[in-house]
Parts: sequence; C-alpha cells; structure tokens
Amino acid sequence: AQKITQTQPGMFVQEKEAVTLDCTYDTSDPSYGLFWYKQPSSGEMIFLIYQGSYDQQNATEGRYSLNFQKARKSANLVISASQLGDSAMYFCAMREGLVSRANSKLTFGKGITLSVRP
Amino acid sequence: SQTIHQWPATLVQPVGSPLSLECTVEGTSNPNLYWYRQAAGRGLQLLFYSIGIDQISSEVPQNLSASRPQDRQFILSSKKLLLSDSGFYLCAWSVSRQGSYGYTFGSGTRLTVV
Repeated sequence: AQKITQTQPGMFVQEKEAVTLDCTYDTSDPSYGLFWYKQPSSGEMIFLIYQGSYDQQNATEGRYSLNFQKARKSANLVISASQLGDSAMYFCAMREGLVSRANSKLTFGKGITLSVRP
Repeated sequence: SQTIHQWPATLVQPVGSPLSLECTVEGTSNPNLYWYRQAAGRGLQLLFYSIGIDQISSEVPQNLSASRPQDRQFILSSKKLLLSDSGFYLCAWSVSRQGSYGYTFGSGTRLTVV
C-alpha cells in the first residue's frame, strides 16, 4: 500500500487566490512527521512546511499552512495569495518513527503540478 | 551554516559506461545521508541511506551502489549503466536529534544514459 497518496493530477489557480493541495498518508507508527516540498523546474527540492504527529496546532509558514486532520490521515497544503512563482511540482512526504531514530527516512508521494495563472 | 554540494549538475553517459556521483556536506557532523532518484514526472524513490561511515543500506535492488568513505561524503556508483538508470538524482542529509527534523537536498544531477 502506498504510504503517501497525492491523487490530484494537476491544479490550476488564479493569481492571488488560495489553493489546497491534497495529501493522505498511511502509517501505524504513532510518531511521524509530515513534510511538503516544492520543486520548481530547476529541480531543487525546497522545504516548505513540517507537521509532527503530536503537534496540537496546524503548522504555518508565511503563506503556507498545513491542514492536519489526524483521524482522516490527511495533511493538505494550503497556499494563500498565490503568486506566479508558486508554479511548480509539490511533494508531500512522511517520516515514520521518532526523528531521533537513526534510520528515519522520507517517503514521498508522486507529487502535484500547480500552475498559477496571471 | 550547513550546505550540501552535489556534482555534476548534468551528465550524459553511454550505456555500459561507469558512473560516479559525489555529494558532500559541510557544517555538520554525523549526518544521515540519502540518495534519491526521480524519474521524469514522478516522485522521489529512496535508493540508499547511510547513518555512518561505511554503513550503507539499500532500499531497492538495482544496478547502482553507494559508498561513504568519509563522514560527510556520499558517492553513488555504477560499473555499467543501463538505459533505465536515467533520471534525476538527489542527495540529501538530515540529523537524528530532537528539534531537528529537516532534510536538506542538494541541487541534483540530471543523468541521461544514451
């Protein structure tokens, strides 16, 4: 079974509007972390936001927020006030187990392409 | 500050030729190191990870190998490249301690096997 599922094939949003990118995950480990990365056409992976499984509040980083619904195992990324520079591929990823575990590693979803229209 | 260097940025190699991609990390000690591969338009697949010198774990059987001869150096190799080895290779590092959860990626190597 896939651990990270991103099913939206491609998303379009008008500049200055908000957009939600979906991510569901699957794990039986009570300790885990969820990440969102942005990959522009250059290929670099840019870290956007992190949510720990024990965090009580949804994570926010500037225009990025994570809608964490633990019971539904979803971790959707919300981008507010979209900008043209937000056009990129977006990946959801999960680390299972405590961060202090030496062999913890990230598992990625297949990604979602976001295009921002002027 | 911590930085990660990965080279070369692009590489075109014939089938059957050897491969060596290098990744080095600065500004941290005892990092966990990772090699990921991304096929065109796809997500990242973990190939290898290392928690210390000469400690390599392989996630998928393949035509590639990895080595970690020094604490902050991680090398991805192949003796004979296949067409299916084409892709975008990313090195990453992390540290295993509370309060530090980030994974930092290098700029990647785009490998085309012809």
